[in-house]
Amino acid sequence: GEDVEQSLFLSVREGDSSVINCTYTDSSSTYLYWYKQEPGAGLQLLTYIFSNMDMKQDQRLTVLLNKKDKHLSLRIADTQTGDSAIYFCAESFDSNYQLIWGAGTKLIIKP
Amino acid sequence: KAGVTQTPRYLIKTRGQQVTLSCSPISGHRSVSWYQQTPGQGLQFLFEYFSETQRNKGNFPGRFSGRQFSNSRSEMNVSTLELGDSALYLCASSLGQGFGEQYFGPGTRLTVT
Repeated sequence: GEDVEQSLFLSVREGDSSVINCTYTDSSSTYLYWYKQEPGAGLQLLTYIFSNMDMKQDQRLTVLLNKKDKHLSLRIADTQTGDSAIYFCAESFDSNYQLIWGAGTKLIIKP
Repeated sequence: KAGVTQTPRYLIKTRGQQVTLSCSPISGHRSVSWYQQTPGQGLQFLFEYFSETQRNKGNFPGRFSGRQFSNSRSEMNVSTLELGDSALYLCASSLGQGFGEQYFGPGTRLTVT
């Protein structure tokens, strides 16, 4: 079945790297996504990775995908206070046109 | 290019009433998906439309329905509102080919009293 799991909280110091992890159960997913949601706001697409890729880098963001372990991670380099938000991972399948979501990880930045 | 817009942004209704929410996708996007977000259940998929056809539906009762117009704008309707329908309703659009990038609107905050 489809299931996506994330830790609920992550606390890091400003300037450090944040690594947010996600595990999923269905290996037939086509894309895996990271979204950011700030308080009172909608969901912002940060990045996504096609399921046949291992890594994708975009400025301060690095996505790593380990298909064998069904593990996805998002690394944010030089974490800033503006990165405080809830980060959701999600997967999609070409067969059924929907996103399956994790519960979200709240990233807390310590000064 | 304008983003996904949703109207209204906030809505207060009473139990038993019905409500219609609207979503205008990014120009050129033909797929519109709807999601319900609540603190207890997280993000849950409602349905997805592509070129006026519903391609997939989540596990919601028949009180939740939607449609898409020829200009790709979409509406969702909830009839006989219940207190548990209070949520943030999010709409997302994408090109629809192979799914790919989905862009979300700001959401409609529905409160049922």
